[in-house]
Amino acid sequence: QVQLQQSGPGLVKPSQTLSLTCAISGDSVSSNNAAWNWIRQSPSRGLEWLGRTYYRSKWYNDYAVPVQGRITISPDTPNNQFSLQLNSVTPEDTAVYYCARQVVVPSTIIGLDYFQYMDVWGKGTTVTVSS
Amino acid sequence: EIVMTQSPVTLSVSPGERATLSCRASQSITSNLAWYQQKPGQAPRLLIYDASTRATGVPARFSGSGSGTEFTLTISSLQSGDFAVYYCQQYDTWPPITFGQGTRLEIK
Repeated sequence: QVQLQQSGPGLVKPSQTLSLTCAISGDSVSSNNAAWNWIRQSPSRGLEWLGRTYYRSKWYNDYAVPVQGRITISPDTPNNQFSLQLNSVTPEDTAVYYCARQVVVPSTIIGLDYFQYMDVWGKGTTVTVSS
Repeated sequence: EIVMTQSPVTLSVSPGERATLSCRASQSITSNLAWYQQKPGQAPRLLIYDASTRATGVPARFSGSGSGTEFTLTISSLQSGDFAVYYCQQYDTWPPITFGQGTRLEIK
């Protein structure tokens, strides 16, 4: 049974960096059949996908346009986990942050993997940006 | 970016009755749609994928239908644990993955 365990601070000061980690059990961060996502939820924005990392002979990342330039999602293969860093946070970044596994059907053609739904979610971390 | 629109925002139904929730995509997503259930203080839980396939462990009273731009989640006989918020999500065109704004299913 795949489980995702989130960790990280619940309070971040404005202009600083939000850092969260998602530890994976029951699967591998290097799996060819998965992508590892960060999603956040707030009353104003609803469920908002932030980005993902995945391994296909090398590591790839995709990021949402609104946070591009501020976000980094990194795998940590020795510890079988992945992390989120969001720089220069403001109060608008206050949200519940979730990590989630996305099911992927791999293709033999690079770039044509079929990314699907999120079948496993972490429990969520409430992050408040405030001084 | 594909916009997902759910209706109604809130649905009031009595236990034992049927609930029908709708989700519309701004362009065709064929059958690349998932439904999630979220209870207070919990993460979303996958219910349906590929528009109509129940995820592992999901009761048969949950069913999904539709293709293209119009989708429906039906809960045939509501039980107390079914009152929650339901979200649809498209995975046809990405990034980004996009979610609907949710339908709150409440007890009438």
